[in-house]
Amino acid sequence: AQSVTQPDIHITVSEGASLELRCNYSYGATPYLFWYVQSPGQGLQLLLKYFSGDTLVQGIKGFEAEFKRSQSSFNLRKPSVHWSDAAEYFCAVGENTDKLIFGTGTRLQVFP
Amino acid sequence: NAGVMQNPRHLVRRRGQEARLRCSPMKGHSHVYWYRQLPEEGLKFMVYLQKENIIDESGMPKERFSAEFPKEGPSILRIQQVVRGDSAAYFCASSYGTGTGAEAFFGQGTRLTVV
Repeated sequence: AQSVTQPDIHITVSEGASLELRCNYSYGATPYLFWYVQSPGQGLQLLLKYFSGDTLVQGIKGFEAEFKRSQSSFNLRKPSVHWSDAAEYFCAVGENTDKLIFGTGTRLQVFP
Repeated sequence: NAGVMQNPRHLVRRRGQEARLRCSPMKGHSHVYWYRQLPEEGLKFMVYLQKENIIDESGMPKERFSAEFPKEGPSILRIQQVVRGDSAAYFCASSYGTGTGAEAFFGQGTRLTVV
């Protein structure tokens, strides 16, 4: 069955620290992969996406993600977290833009 | 260019009433998707529509839920005879296509509370 697993429900980091959010997927073919961010009471904003090519993808707000086919993973990273990064982060997969399968999300808390 | 507009932002309905959720896609977008987010869960796909057509409704509950995207006007997600379990955030997204490079832009959601 197609699924997305985000094993960390809640992560707390200090401002300025590095960040890695984990995402593993189960999908029949090589899927399109996405990371979205959701601030409280807001909709989702696309951080980055992977369709093909270079497995290290750069996104907005200083985020990047690396696609590792052998591990079925697409982990999100940021070298130095800012307080404004506190939000919920969702990993998603799909054959294209429609009918995305989302993980349950990782809530990021940032301490000053 | 306004983003995806959803209204109302918050909707309270009593059990048994009808809920109508509206979604105006971004200008130039003809593909609309509805997702539901239950508390403490990720988004779950409900339905994918193009103008006047339902393309994929595999995520829609079989009863009480319906969606449309008329030639003119917003897309509507309609929930009849709401129950407490329908309380959730409902998100609409739109795109100009579904191929490589297309991006789904999400609205701010409608938070439905059934009392």
